[in-house]
Amino acid sequence: GENVEQHPSTLSVQEGDSAVIKCTYSDSASNYFPWYKQELGKGPQLIIDIRSNVGEKKDQRIAVTLNKTAKHFSLHITETQPEDSAVYFCAATYNFNKFYFGSGTKLNVKP
Amino acid sequence: GAGVSQSPSNKVTEKGKDVELRCDPISGHTALYWYRQSLGQGLEFLIYFQGNSAPDKSGLPSDRFSAERTGGSVSTLTIQRTQQEDSAVYLCASSPDRPSGNTIYFGEGSWLTVV
Repeated sequence: GENVEQHPSTLSVQEGDSAVIKCTYSDSASNYFPWYKQELGKGPQLIIDIRSNVGEKKDQRIAVTLNKTAKHFSLHITETQPEDSAVYFCAATYNFNKFYFGSGTKLNVKP
Repeated sequence: GAGVSQSPSNKVTEKGKDVELRCDPISGHTALYWYRQSLGQGLEFLIYFQGNSAPDKSGLPSDRFSAERTGGSVSTLTIQRTQQEDSAVYLCASSPDRPSGNTIYFGEGSWLTVV
């Protein structure tokens, strides 16, 4: 089955700086890659996603890039704000039956 | 409803007791998933329901775990003879018809503590 690895496990940045979280996947058939943000005590919320026919997608301060050849994708957050502090999960799926999740990155944005 | 609804939000139970966790998916969503999240860990797939098809139970960790989905809507995850290692957040998610390729939307989770 698919294996998704996520790095780093924790990330601390100064407010206004950029943050980058990286994920690799093992199954070349995977074709959909969502990112979720989980705040303390809440369920994960979708923040951005990308399909395998696209190399990059941007939504305001958040962007995701996908390299199918290398089988990795990354989340980029620019101009970070304290409210961006949360745990972020990447995921991959090739049939939408199972979503395979990374182990999570705890992002701390220092004011 | 507006989102995936789960109950109870918190449950403390004694070791050896059975527990039932309920999930009410987003109206019209045909796919329903259960995941488990242990403290500080990632999301572990448990089971997947899609319409009237046989569920994918490949993630259930033992035969103490079972789930059903009645009428293609509400789902119940049952854990029998609970153990301390069952303590975790149990997350339910739903999505629209799979063939169109849609993401999944999570509920707030049911926090289970086995003492």
